Amino acid sequence: QLQLQESGPGLVKASETLSLICTVSSGSISSSSYYWGWIRQPPGKGLEWIGSIYYSGSTYYNPSLTSRVTISADTSKNELSLKLSSVTAADTAVYYCARGFLEWLSNHMDVWGKGTTVTVSS
Amino acid sequence: QSALTQPASVSGSPGQSITISCTGTSSDVGGHNYVSWYQQHPGKAPKLMIYDVSKRPSGVSSRFSGSKSGNTASLTISGLQAEDEADYYCSSYTNSVTWVFGGGTKVTVL
Repeated sequence: QLQLQESGPGLVKASETLSLICTVSSGSISSSSYYWGWIRQPPGKGLEWIGSIYYSGSTYYNPSLTSRVTISADTSKNELSLKLSSVTAADTAVYYCARGFLEWLSNHMDVWGKGTTVTVSS
Repeated sequence: QSALTQPASVSGSPGQSITISCTGTSSDVGGHNYVSWYQQHPGKAPKLMIYDVSKRPSGVSSRFSGSKSGNTASLTISGLQAEDEADYYCSSYTNSVTWVFGGGTKVTVL
């Protein structure tokens, strides 16, 4: 059964770069039917889509974050990476990675990791 | 992109049916049949309950159903049970190849 596990520093200083890894097990990130996304949830607030990376390597980002975010994939390690630069307290959140399924007439994010909490300190 | 609009809270008694609305625009909800609904219990990751407007993943109770009319999607929970108490989020694919979420709805079972 596919599993996703987010990992990275739980504490990041303001103005620095947040870096997270999503390790995918029991499945390959190289399948053309799937894409991979990052979503975050600030404490007590709702979900916010950060961005996605597709099989082709194309990436798409939330317009509000596009100048600061980079998502990449390492197929040799079966890992995804999220980098968010110039962080502020507003970037404090639980960060999730998720698998997206994309085929003719179907598109959804079906498998999510348990999430990792990142706190930005001043 | 603006968040989809959901009611902050909905409540119902056990056995009743409730409906949560999710309003967007013609660039997201109204323009695609890629609307999903997620259930989230406190401290847990979101769980996919409905995808592609009205499809249920394997293992999700048939008490959950989805629909869409114009720019508004809806999630209906019938035969409300105590375990259904949670936060529910809608999400929609957009014309810009992005995803947008709703603000979330807290469902309370009275």
